[in-house]
Amino acid sequence: DVKVTQSSRYLVKRTGEKVFLECVQDMDHENMFWYRQDPGLGLRLIYFSYDVKMKEKGDIPEGYSVSREKKERFSLILESASTNQTSMYLCASSFRGGGVAFFGQGTRLTVV
Amino acid sequence: QKEVEQNSGPLSVPEGAIASLNCTYSDRGSQSFFWYRQYSGKSPELIMSIYSNGDKEDGRFTAQLNKASQYVSLLIRDSQPSDSATYLCAVNENNFNKFYFGSGTKLNVKP
Repeated sequence: DVKVTQSSRYLVKRTGEKVFLECVQDMDHENMFWYRQDPGLGLRLIYFSYDVKMKEKGDIPEGYSVSREKKERFSLILESASTNQTSMYLCASSFRGGGVAFFGQGTRLTVV
Repeated sequence: QKEVEQNSGPLSVPEGAIASLNCTYSDRGSQSFFWYRQYSGKSPELIMSIYSNGDKEDGRFTAQLNKASQYVSLLIRDSQPSDSATYLCAVNENNFNKFYFGSGTKLNVKP
């Protein structure tokens, strides 16, 4: 059974905190993605990684950074959390070349 | 910016009817197409994938792709209340491996 696991289901953080969201996949996928999902805006790509230590900016990278030191793990970092980063964050992974994307269970982050 | 357009709905159908969900995309280079179902508060789960023009059937679900018209659709036959969810259309441009999602169509199936 394919598995993408996000470290937290719910998080509450204070403005200005550094926040780490972790994602682990066990499918040996090359690609990993971080999306945020907001009502009416759909899924927006924050960052994408196609290999270890490789990353590409998505459509909304401002205020975020990522780290991929191992193939199975992709971390999203909010350098200084702000209230407008309150959202549902979804991690996904896929094989290279157009394969299906599998999603983690999501992290609902609230910044107060 | 590559765009994937869906009618946000809600689309309401009675139980047992056919639900028809539509999606258009802007990038002619798109090669892979997916339909995901997302229940409220949950993450998206794959329903169908389609890669070539025509129809692909899986149980009660049929995906239809027309690359010339840049159009992909999902038909749900014999709709059930448990099909009530938001359906996301996604396209992938294989060269770049990125997925682009529509904002989703909310489907309500009434008993």
